[in-house]
Order: sequence, then structure tokens, then C-alpha cells
Amino acid sequence: GESVGLHLPTLSVQEGDNSIINCAYSNSASDYFIWYKQESGKGPQFIIDIRSNMDKRQGQRVTVLLNKTVKHLSLQIAATQPGDSAVYFCAENTLNTGNQFYFGTGTSLTVIP
Amino acid sequence: ETGVTQSPTHLIKTRGQQVTLRCSSQSGHNTVSWYQQALGQGPQFIFQYYREEENGRGNFPPRFSGLQFPNYSSELNVNALELDDSALYLCASSFLQGPQHFGDGTRLSIL
Repeated sequence: GESVGLHLPTLSVQEGDNSIINCAYSNSASDYFIWYKQESGKGPQFIIDIRSNMDKRQGQRVTVLLNKTVKHLSLQIAATQPGDSAVYFCAENTLNTGNQFYFGTGTSLTVIP
Repeated sequence: ETGVTQSPTHLIKTRGQQVTLRCSSQSGHNTVSWYQQALGQGPQFIFQYYREEENGRGNFPPRFSGLQFPNYSSELNVNALELDDSALYLCASSFLQGPQHFGDGTRLSIL
């Protein structure tokens, strides 16, 4: 079956520092990945996605890196702010088998003011 | 642009009862996926609907069923509720093979 995991269940960073959240996946056929942010009492919020024909994609203050060789995904958040405190999930999908996403267990990010 | 909305936000049921949860898609999206999220876990895929038909199903028993309507809204029905069905139920809408956008979920508690 699918296995999407995260290296660290919790992460604490100082406000203004950069954060890096890691994710490992086991299915080498996975070709589409999304990072989500979930705040308490809310649904997952789309942050950024990347397809397997890319190894890097940048958004506003966020960068996703994909290393297909070692099946690893990371989310970098620049100048982390208190509002970034949340649980972060990576989700992976194999597009030619439908639109089912497999989620990891999440990393809880706490930003220390 | 209207996002994904789910109703109700909270629901309490007893074992053996049946429940219907509702989801309105984000404007323009034609695909709806349902997920179950247990406390402290990531969401688990239940099933997806596209063009009013089931388009993929996760490892959930048949007592979990759904519908999609012509306006792309959707329902999740669960029969014969069990204690383990207590969870946050999330709906996500998208274009087929596009990024999924989630509502804030329905918190279902089974007593």
C-alpha cells in the first residue's frame, strides 16, 4: 500500500527563521504532490503543488523541493511568522490511477515569537 | 469565488444510526472527494465522484456511500454507524487531476 511519512512530527522555530518540513514517500510511481496547511478546527489549506517533471517550485515565501531519486519532498517556509503555526501535510497522487491523494501523518510547526 | 462549504459543522449520533453529510463544491469544480480524518492523523480517502459517478474508492466498507448532483454538490452517507466512525469528514473539490481544495469538515461524534 501507499506510505507517505514525515521525518519529524513536531518542529519549533523562532519567528523570522526559515522552516524546513520533510516528507518521504514510498511509491516511485507517484507523480503529483501537494503540501497542505491545517489549522486547528479547519480543513487542509492548499499551499503549493509540484509535479514529477519538476524538482523545485516556488510560491510566496514557500518553496517545494522534490527529489525523486530518494523519494523525498520538502517544504521550505521563509521568514516564518506566528501565523504559520499549524500542522503541515504532504499528499501524493499517481495521476493515471485517479485523483486519490495519500496523506502523511503531518508535522506540527510551532513558531516562537 | 465561493470555496468549499460543508454542513453540518458538528453532529452527534448513536451507534447503528445513519448520517448524511453535505458538501458544496468550489465554483467551477466538477470533482468531489471525501476523506475521513481521525484525531492526530492525516486524511484518508473514502471515495471520489466525477460526473455524478463514483471515480475511485479507498478502503472503506459499503456502508459508506455517496452521491454527486448535477450542480456538482455531493453527499456522504454512512449507515449502521460504529464508534470508530467518529472523525472529521472532509470534502474536497477540484477539476479532475487538479489540486484538491478542502472545506472545513463535519465533526461527527458517535456515542
